Amino acid sequence: SQQGEEDPQALSIQEGENATMNCSYKTSINNLQWYRQNSGRGLVHLILIRSNEREKHSGRLRVTLDTSKKSSSLLITASRAADTASYFCATVPMNRDDKIIFGKGTRLHILP
Amino acid sequence: DAGITQSPRHKVTETGTPVTLRCHQTENHRYMYWYRQDPGHGLRLIHYSYGVKDTDKGEVSDGYSVSRSKTEDFLLTLESATSSQTSVYFCAIRGLDNEQFFGPGTRLTVL
Repeated sequence: SQQGEEDPQALSIQEGENATMNCSYKTSINNLQWYRQNSGRGLVHLILIRSNEREKHSGRLRVTLDTSKKSSSLLITASRAADTASYFCATVPMNRDDKIIFGKGTRLHILP
Repeated sequence: DAGITQSPRHKVTETGTPVTLRCHQTENHRYMYWYRQDPGHGLRLIHYSYGVKDTDKGEVSDGYSVSRSKTEDFLLTLESATSSQTSVYFCAIRGLDNEQFFGPGTRLTVL
């Protein structure tokens, strides 16, 4: 069963704007991760946030985690055409760190 | 692609034929995973391995078997391919915090 569910399913924004994607999950987690997938390629790991962290930054990426609401958000600032891709959240369940469960993704399209 | 290769990259086969996909890694990782990706379903785990000859089932393992006789190779076999197994298959290795590093994928079409 899917643990993480991304919202929205699809998002179109103008280049230069910020893009925000959300992820909700159901059970306690060890960590939550975000991935990017360009068309026809494998997923690429972007950033990991642990259950005891609330916010993390990496370049133009900002991830927040609210364990009380079982949700996370990924913010991409100053979007570029190259950011056009699908973005997936994935959760590693507490006490089952041999497993990782992916959501269905958000398709992000950056308009020129 | 984190030292992971998959072969073949594309394959077209007929219903009822056996198919084997290969995943090869060069970084001596213990854990390896096979996923399938389908529209509307996202990424789903088929099988994974936690060492040579040690494997376990994922959420969509029916119709698939795996083998790992060497650390570097993880094979996925469709014993008798069906049209429902038409998909893109990804192999992945695991990082220290269970990050996944993916191969380039194999696009399989079963006619």
